[in-house]
Amino acid sequence: DGGITQSPKYLFRKEGQNVTLSCEQNLNHDAMYWYRQDPGQGLRLIYYSQIVNDFQKGDIAEGYSVSREKKESFPLTVTSAQKNPTAFYLCASNFRPQHFGDGTRLSIL
Amino acid sequence: QKEVEQDPGPLSVPEGAIVSLNCTYSNSAFQYFMWYRQYSRKGPELLMYTYSSGNKEDGRFTAQVDKSSKYISLFIRDSQPSDSATYLCAMSEGNYQLIWGAGTKLIIKP
Repeated sequence: DGGITQSPKYLFRKEGQNVTLSCEQNLNHDAMYWYRQDPGQGLRLIYYSQIVNDFQKGDIAEGYSVSREKKESFPLTVTSAQKNPTAFYLCASNFRPQHFGDGTRLSIL
Repeated sequence: QKEVEQDPGPLSVPEGAIVSLNCTYSNSAFQYFMWYRQYSRKGPELLMYTYSSGNKEDGRFTAQVDKSSKYISLFIRDSQPSDSATYLCAMSEGNYQLIWGAGTKLIIKP
């Protein structure tokens, strides 16, 4: 089945640690996105990529980094510089409409 | 003021009722409008996608866009307990970004 796979489903970060969230799609979409979702705030854009080897910052990119070496993959690293990383992270593909994975819930240990 | 406003609810209605969910927006350049449904601990799934003004119907769901009033609506007929979820609106000018509402939590009581 075509779709977007995010892993892990739950992730815990220790103080000072970088963690990487995985996002893989087999829909052959060029565009991919990372969002952060906090209760009552909707979706906020972290980074997006329109094509392989290119990506742009969204509204809340500070403390995050991404890479886009393959069309199918768009991993997100939450660095130690992100002081409030606890949230639900969603990966999406396609420009319009966007299709989503089932998210990764990140918490601080 | 946010670009897209959406009442967070919760909105609680009895099973079988007609549900009306709404978003207002301030940017008159928005042309593409979407409604997503999100169950707890899941990613949003696309329900309706419309371009410019007018109505679109798909089964029990109807999406309406009124660009003159900068107002979009999603109607759910014959609501079921399985419709209980958070409903998110999203819209776009036509560039690579979607602008999202905060979501309305809907509860359908059996």
